[in-house]
Amino acid sequence: DQQVKQNSPSLSVQEGRISILNCDYTNSMFDYFLWYKKYPAEGPTFLISISSIKDKNEDGRFTVFLNKSAKHLSLHIVPSQPGDSAVYFCAATTGANSKLTFGKGITLSVRP
Amino acid sequence: ETGVTQTPRHLVMGMTNKKSLKCEQHLGHNAMYWYKQSAKKPLELMFVYSLEERVENNSVPSRFSPECPNSSHLFLHLHTLQPEDSALYLCASSQDIRRTDTQYFGPGTRLTVL
Repeated sequence: DQQVKQNSPSLSVQEGRISILNCDYTNSMFDYFLWYKKYPAEGPTFLISISSIKDKNEDGRFTVFLNKSAKHLSLHIVPSQPGDSAVYFCAATTGANSKLTFGKGITLSVRP
Repeated sequence: ETGVTQTPRHLVMGMTNKKSLKCEQHLGHNAMYWYKQSAKKPLELMFVYSLEERVENNSVPSRFSPECPNSSHLFLHLHTLQPEDSALYLCASSQDIRRTDTQYFGPGTRLTVL
């Protein structure tokens, strides 16, 4: 059973608009969440993270929101740029170690 | 060479072959990981090494055998694989195994088992 779910396989957004990528989780023990981005033929690269003691973390155009009661997090990209077109993975971990549980990923396409 | 490198990038092998995947990190990290990404499935953690000691083995079949001779190199030895083992195998490294240590991924080896 998947503990981290990215239910939408793809998202298409116009350049300059906001991209909202969603992620849900089932394990209430998860307390640290990450987003990774992956271009074709490359490995995933870390984007942004959030601890469960926060509900928002911002880094430039990227903001992650965490709703613990709903077991839901989202990544907002604004403004979206064509270079943001990639696969975005949500990941979560529990406890002190780095064992990550990933979602299946969502393919974002930003149209010029 | 910088970051995390993996060789080969593509590999086709028969079920009776023995092959090895290689990963090298040039970041001075202490922890290294093997992940598997099958089609339409999430990345799955296979093994974790910290300071050359295996600290995690995620119920991986014995036909996959990891080796970490030093903190910069990680191998995945493959033997008598099955077609369902065809996948993208990703290596990663991090400073240590704390959850806040960012994992840096290599480009992966695309494995096809015939």
